[in-house]
Order: sequence, then C-alpha cells, then structure tokens
Amino acid sequence: GQSLEQPSEVTAVEGAIVQINCTYQTSGFYGLSWYQQHDGGAPTFLSYNGLDGLEETGRFSSFLSRSDSYGYLLLQELQMKDSASYFCAVSGTGGFKTIFGAGTRLFVKA
Amino acid sequence: DAGVIQSPRHEVTEMGQEVTLRCKPISGHDYLFWYRQTMMRGLELLIYFNNNVPIDDSGMPEDRFSAKMPNASFSTLKIQPSEPRDSAVYFCASRSEGDEQFFGPGTRLTVL
Repeated sequence: GQSLEQPSEVTAVEGAIVQINCTYQTSGFYGLSWYQQHDGGAPTFLSYNGLDGLEETGRFSSFLSRSDSYGYLLLQELQMKDSASYFCAVSGTGGFKTIFGAGTRLFVKA
Repeated sequence: DAGVIQSPRHEVTEMGQEVTLRCKPISGHDYLFWYRQTMMRGLELLIYFNNNVPIDDSGMPEDRFSAKMPNASFSTLKIQPSEPRDSAVYFCASRSEGDEQFFGPGTRLTVL
C-alpha cells in the first residue's frame, strides 16, 4: 500500500521561511509532487521531484531523498496569500497513479 | 485554453437519486483523473483514464459509482443511487506526459 505523512498545521509570520515535511511509504515509487489549495479552490501544481535533490521555482523549493523516503517543500519570503493547504503526493510505477497526503494547512500571520 | 471544465459546479440532490458529473479535459491531454475530497478522507483518487481507456478504478468506492470516457474531450462520473455519505467535492484533472496535473474547479455535491 501507499501512505504519506505530513504535519496537519504550520503557522509562520510574513517574510519568514517555512518547511513542510513529507514522509512516504509506497511500492513502485516514481516521484513526489506538491500542490497548493486555497479554501474553496482547486489544487494547483507547485513542483515535482523525480530524482534526489532540490528543485527551485521562485520562492518555492522542493527536496527529495529517495533513500529516506522523505521530501519537503520550502517556502521563502512568506506572503499572506501563501495561507493555504499544501499537499504532497506520490506517484507510483509509471508515474500516473497519484496518491495525496492529508495536507498541511499553512497560516501566515502579519 | 480554458483549462479543465467541470459541470455542474454545485449539485444538491436527494438520497436515491442519480447524479452525473461532467468533465472536459484540456485538449491534447491523454490522462484524465477523477478525485473526491472530503474533510475526513482527504483527496482520494477514484479512477483514471489513458487515451479514453480506464486504467485503474481501484479507488471507486462501490458499484454505485461508474465512470466513462466516450471520447478524448468528455468524461462522466455517475452515482446511482446517491447516498448522503457521497457528499463531497469531486475534482476532475488532466495531464499530458509532463508531471503536472491540471485540476478543474470541482463539483460540490450535497446528498440530502
């Protein structure tokens, strides 16, 4: 089977840096993705890691360690609009069947 | 492109009624996914298609649920008969060979 664990809530202040961790157990691991979802909205893609290491996209970075079955999403220069839920998701063999974690709700305070 | 289109956006129905949710994927995308999101169970993959063919329907909760993709630009998710526990937001998503799934706005289903 597949399972993912991520913190349920994180609170940070505007301008700070926050890291959201994700550990997973899965067979046939292909890659780790991150999605953002604002209340009432749809998930939107942030990043993907298929190989170990860091991927950077603007203020957001994502890291993967396949040997540790671990990844994280790093958000820098936090803004109020970053308040949302963040989901890690693993894709299995073939890369298409995607299982989502329960999500981490990020609260950004002024 | 208009993105993934879902209809209706909201559906309120009574227990026992048939519900049909519709999805139009992004043109050129070969993969289509149906998800269900609830507070209790999170975002669950129900079924996904590749080139209109169902590949994995292991997430479909029971026989009351069925999904079809008669052509590359249209898919339906049907619940018959509906039950209150089916109340959720249902998302359709599509992707091509890249890593990103593009989600539609979702259909909020309430079964009374």
